[in-house]
Amino acid sequence: GAGVSQSPSNKVTEKGKDVELRCDPISGHTALYWYRQSLGQGLEFLIYFQGNSAPDKSGLPSDRFSAERTGGSVSTLTIQRTQQEDSAVYLCASSSQGDVEQYFGPGTRLTVT
Amino acid sequence: AQSVAQPEDQVNVAEGNPLTVKCTYSVSGNPYLFWYVQYPNRGLQFLLKYITGDNLVKGSYGFEAEFNKSQTSFHLKKPSALVSDSALYFCAVRRGGADGLTFGKGTHLIIQP
Repeated sequence: GAGVSQSPSNKVTEKGKDVELRCDPISGHTALYWYRQSLGQGLEFLIYFQGNSAPDKSGLPSDRFSAERTGGSVSTLTIQRTQQEDSAVYLCASSSQGDVEQYFGPGTRLTVT
Repeated sequence: AQSVAQPEDQVNVAEGNPLTVKCTYSVSGNPYLFWYVQYPNRGLQFLLKYITGDNLVKGSYGFEAEFNKSQTSFHLKKPSALVSDSALYFCAVRRGGADGLTFGKGTHLIIQP
């Protein structure tokens, strides 16, 4: 079946603009995760959804970052007033009820100029 | 807090030789341990996991990993390396439930023909 998809694959934005990144998890997967991969910080956990609720937002680096998930499926990660240090690859993953492994999408490469 | 250490930035192995990529972890309680592989400009692919049971777990593409509780290690191994195994490998841990993963910094595996 189809894997996790993310859009856009690449996004270039100017400093100070807002951006939205989208994730479509594998159909039927109840858990959804966002991570960030950057040269300086490696792979960092950002936020986790179980259904539409987010029991763990501990990884969000600042209040400029927010995420939502609607209908237990698609999720959007929003970064407000982007900064150059937000440049990274943003990865989304999903897992099904009772499974522990997470399946990752191809990522969105965000470049803030 | 949980953490993962991958002490080698790069591992070089000749094709056909056995390979080992090292990982040690720190977590409270029983760990859930994972290995993922990342090819250039691709997302992460799940290789294998340890939750409980046999300390030697087998995964995709002929890889295996050995869980050692006393040494808090989870080293990735393969008896005979292929050039196509060249990639970036990540070890990850979580406490259980559906928490986000904590990743190591990654190890570049280079298999020389």
